[in-house]
Amino acid sequence: GAVVSQHPSRVICKSGTSVKIECRSLDFQATTMFWYRQFPKQSLMLMATSNEGSKATYEQGVEKDKFLINHASLTLSTLTVTSAHPEDSSFYICSAALGTGQIQYFGAGTRLSVL
Amino acid sequence: RKEVEQDPGPFNVPEGATVAFNCTYSNSASQSFFWYRQDCRKEPKLLMSVYSSGNEDGRFTAQLNRASQYISLLIRDSKLSDSATYLCVVYTGGGNKLTFGTGTQLKVEL
Repeated sequence: GAVVSQHPSRVICKSGTSVKIECRSLDFQATTMFWYRQFPKQSLMLMATSNEGSKATYEQGVEKDKFLINHASLTLSTLTVTSAHPEDSSFYICSAALGTGQIQYFGAGTRLSVL
Repeated sequence: RKEVEQDPGPFNVPEGATVAFNCTYSNSASQSFFWYRQDCRKEPKLLMSVYSSGNEDGRFTAQLNRASQYISLLIRDSKLSDSATYLCVVYTGGGNKLTFGTGTQLKVEL
């Protein structure tokens, strides 16, 4: 089956630090990649949709200058949380899709803790 | 109103029990429906798609009622390993995105 690798799995950093998370589709070329955030006991919330070579589409309320997305190739998308603050502490999950976003393959997630 | 609503639970059931989860969605233009399973501190994993005709996969049965905008999941003969959070997920083609419910937590006990 399709495999999506997400790194790192865990980040603990000081407030003001920028954190980069990588999402790679290992055995397929992903038309679209998605970035989600999940706070404790809440659902996954879509942050942005990313297509290779074009600007990401951000969901309402998500600051594009705060959460920088780069989708340089059909197998790699990165999310950079700039100047992270404690309220950015969350579980960040990426997914990759072939064609439409109906069937998405998820990475293992990155748990970010900002002190 | 949330786009996808689920009872958060937890549902505590003994091993071998049958348990049912329900979900409602608000967007009548939704096209596809799924149940995902999420273990604690892990990514969600697709359990099964949901079709109007109803579909079964081993001990799991899913049903969709488009008129009522209602989705269900039935788990028979619960196992300890079924303990997880079950997410109701809806795909809307116009937005090309999945919308997740908050999940229903299941705890299967000895």
